[in-house]
Amino acid sequence: QLLLQESGSGLVKPSQTLSLTCTVSGTFISSGAYSWSWIRQPPGKGLEYIGYIYHTGRAFYNPSLKSRVTISIDGSKNQFSLKVNSVTAADTAVYYCARVGDAYRFDYWGQGALVTVSS
Amino acid sequence: QSALTQPASVSGSPGQSITISCTGTSGDIGNYYLVSWYQQHPGKVPKLIIFEVTKRPSGVSDRFSGSKSGNAASLTISGLQDEDEANYYCCSFAGSGHVIFGGGTKVTVL
Repeated sequence: QLLLQESGSGLVKPSQTLSLTCTVSGTFISSGAYSWSWIRQPPGKGLEYIGYIYHTGRAFYNPSLKSRVTISIDGSKNQFSLKVNSVTAADTAVYYCARVGDAYRFDYWGQGALVTVSS
Repeated sequence: QSALTQPASVSGSPGQSITISCTGTSGDIGNYYLVSWYQQHPGKVPKLIIFEVTKRPSGVSDRFSGSKSGNAASLTISGLQDEDEANYYCCSFAGSGHVIFGGGTKVTVL
């Protein structure tokens, strides 16, 4: 069974860098069959696509976040990661990692990790 | 790019059918057959219920159906049940590796 699990700091100070890792079990992310994504949801609000990455390391980002976001992948650990620079309170959200299946469907999701930006 | 436009709320009585609209542009919904829909109960993880406009993943009830016309897509829930009360999000590929979600629709079963 495919499982995804987010981990990382739950509290980040303004202007600092948010870092999260998604550990995948049940498949090898380096197989190349799928890509791997990050999606976030501010409290009480809707879903926002952040970006996704292929096993090759090629990544695509939401244009509105592109200048502050980096997604990377480590096939040896079966993990992919998210970094968001220069965070503000507006970056407070539940961050989900998800598999991107055929036809750009997000078919498997992690449980989500709440990240709060506060001093 | 702005979020896809969905009504904030839709309601219906048990057994009725409801439709949630999702309006985009010629750069997203209008240009790709790559619309998906997600159901999210409060405090839970989003669940894929429709992909590629009309397809249902294994295990998803056939009471959920999707369609697309021009720059808009729709999700219809037939035979509304109490368990369908949730938030629903549409999503579309928008080219160049970009994906856009709708703002979400809260479905209330009266």
